[in-house]
Amino acid sequence: DAGVIQSPRHEVTEMGQEVTLRCKPISGHDYLFWYRQTMMRGLELLIYFNNNVPIDDSGMPEDRFSAKMPNASFSTLKIQPSEPRDSAVYFCASSSSEGSTEYYEQYFGPGTRLTVT
Amino acid sequence: GQNIDQPTEMTATEGAIVQINCTYQTSGFNGLFWYQQHAGEAPTFLSYNVLDGLEEKGRFSSFLSRSKGYSYLLLKELQMKDSASYLCAVKDSNYQLIWGAGTKLIIKP
Repeated sequence: DAGVIQSPRHEVTEMGQEVTLRCKPISGHDYLFWYRQTMMRGLELLIYFNNNVPIDDSGMPEDRFSAKMPNASFSTLKIQPSEPRDSAVYFCASSSSEGSTEYYEQYFGPGTRLTVT
Repeated sequence: GQNIDQPTEMTATEGAIVQINCTYQTSGFNGLFWYQQHAGEAPTFLSYNVLDGLEEKGRFSSFLSRSKGYSYLLLKELQMKDSASYLCAVKDSNYQLIWGAGTKLIIKP
């Protein structure tokens, strides 16, 4: 399996621009998570989906952030307009609920390093 | 509120043993995870504990005490490649993962 795929790996943009991050989860996984990681705040859960449906978006910082999952193999995280404080590494992770109901190991993608100037 | 505490940074010597502690206060408990994250890379799964006791996996072991809200990750025969951040995460009553800030482990020759 190719693992979780994220694109782009690096993104540099100017304040005010729209940024779209993309994620392809592992085939067959029914959970998808978007995280943001910074030195100051560590790893933060932004939103997660189950079977393409958003379950909890309480971690989304504000209305500038939106996420979609139109099908089981693709999700996007959009920031519009972007601000310098959005600079971080954004990880996508997926997991499967098949089998044990307790043990949903999350598999992380390589991340997108976003720099907003 | 929900809280997970880990030391910010630890230093150890190659070949030695190091224990990384994690204490947690969460709304419910449905398991505790340890992840390893090398600089510039994604976190990768190391271990999972849901019952009290020690889980051993090669050079790495993880211990859990639910009554104390405490876990540790034990790394034996340290190698330079073990230099990384180690993240503790607890699954709460809603089955959501609450993440600690991570412990940066520095291995010296």
